[in-house]
Amino acid sequence: EAQVTQNPRYLITVTGKKLTVTCSQNMNHEYMSWYRQDPGLGLRQIYYSMNVEVTDKGDVPEGYKVSRKEKRNFPLILESPSPNQTSLYFCASSTGQGSYNEQFFGPGTRLTVL
Amino acid sequence: QKEVEQNSGPLSVPEGAIASLNCTYSDRVSQSFFWYRQYSGKSPELIMSIYSNGDKEDGRFTAQLNKASQYVSLLIRDSQPSDSATYLCASPRDSSASKIIFGSGTRLSIRP
Repeated sequence: EAQVTQNPRYLITVTGKKLTVTCSQNMNHEYMSWYRQDPGLGLRQIYYSMNVEVTDKGDVPEGYKVSRKEKRNFPLILESPSPNQTSLYFCASSTGQGSYNEQFFGPGTRLTVL
Repeated sequence: QKEVEQNSGPLSVPEGAIASLNCTYSDRVSQSFFWYRQYSGKSPELIMSIYSNGDKEDGRFTAQLNKASQYVSLLIRDSQPSDSATYLCASPRDSSASKIIFGSGTRLSIRP
């Protein structure tokens, strides 16, 4: 089944404790992206990747890191999480030109930073 | 002006009626548009895309793009309770094909 998977689905952590949210897609998509969703603000892009070893900042990259060592994986790293990073996070993937094509979203990761 | 703007709702429509969802946009986006549906607690899923002026129909859904007035609409005919969800309008940012901007979404409620 074609899909985007994320782990963990739910995470409660404390300020400053490094964490990684994994994202994997099995559709051989070149483009992958991370979003956060907050009430009233919609989806905001954190980072995106056009292909392996190619990543760039979205609109809200502060406090996040990403890497794209393999085509299928695009982990999101929070080196020192803070309470304002409490949010619902979505990973997405797409073919070709990325944002000009349909994005397929993972199930989401609900993160709470205490 | 926000790049992509939507009324947050909620929009309440009786079952069987036409639901009309609107999105306005600025010059900073590419004028290619996507409508995503998001059920509560779930991830967004694509319903329609529209790239050129005019109407595009797919089953009960019609997307309308008016570039002169800078708005895009989604019409849902014969609304069903299962259409109750948040609808997100999205467009790639004009200056970079790799960034996509989402509106904040309109919550639609279909009342039986």
